[in-house]
Amino acid sequence: KNEVEQSPQNLTAQEGEFITINCSYSVGISALHWLQQHPGGGIVSLFMLSSGKKKHGRLIATINIQEKHSSLHITASHPRDSAVYICAVIPGGGADGLTFGKGTHLIIQP
Amino acid sequence: GAGVSQSPSNKVTEKGKDVELRCDPISGHTALYWYRQSLGQGLEFLIYFQGNSAPDKSGLPSDRFSAERTGGSVSTLTIQRTQQEDSAVYLCASSLLGDSRGTEAFFGQGTRLTVV
Repeated sequence: KNEVEQSPQNLTAQEGEFITINCSYSVGISALHWLQQHPGGGIVSLFMLSSGKKKHGRLIATINIQEKHSSLHITASHPRDSAVYICAVIPGGGADGLTFGKGTHLIIQP
Repeated sequence: GAGVSQSPSNKVTEKGKDVELRCDPISGHTALYWYRQSLGQGLEFLIYFQGNSAPDKSGLPSDRFSAERTGGSVSTLTIQRTQQEDSAVYLCASSLLGDSRGTEAFFGQGTRLTVV
């Protein structure tokens, strides 16, 4: 069974700080999602990646398939970045749905 | 529409009643997934449809839960004889291809179900 571990579980930072959220998983995957969930809101897919690095605005996601690890970075963080960030992996070769981490609750204080 | 649409957005029901939750995936997406997020819990996979193939029901928590997908498009998740532990946000996602090929999934806003 694939286990997905995220760290930290909770993170409070000041506006402008550089944020890193980590995700580790235990078995082979075909790809990994980083998702964002705002309080009371739905889920938005930020990135899907299977290798290397992707960048969108102030968000950067990296993945190391050999080490089974991914990171989500937020540069110049802003209070509107406050949300739960969820790592979800797509098992390699299977037809199952995503396996989710428990999420990182991020609060950016002004 | 441009995204995955779910209805209703909120549903309050009495214990023991049946409920139906609807998901309209993005047009042309062959894969459709249902997930559940209970209060204080992580996201939980429920069921997966891929095209006209038999659905993967491995995540359904009990036989009170069922889902169908008509014409390869709209899906309905039905919960019979609802229990309080069924209270959760039910999320639907669709993707162009099945997850095994690493295709991005797009999520709906979810249906918040409260069983009283």
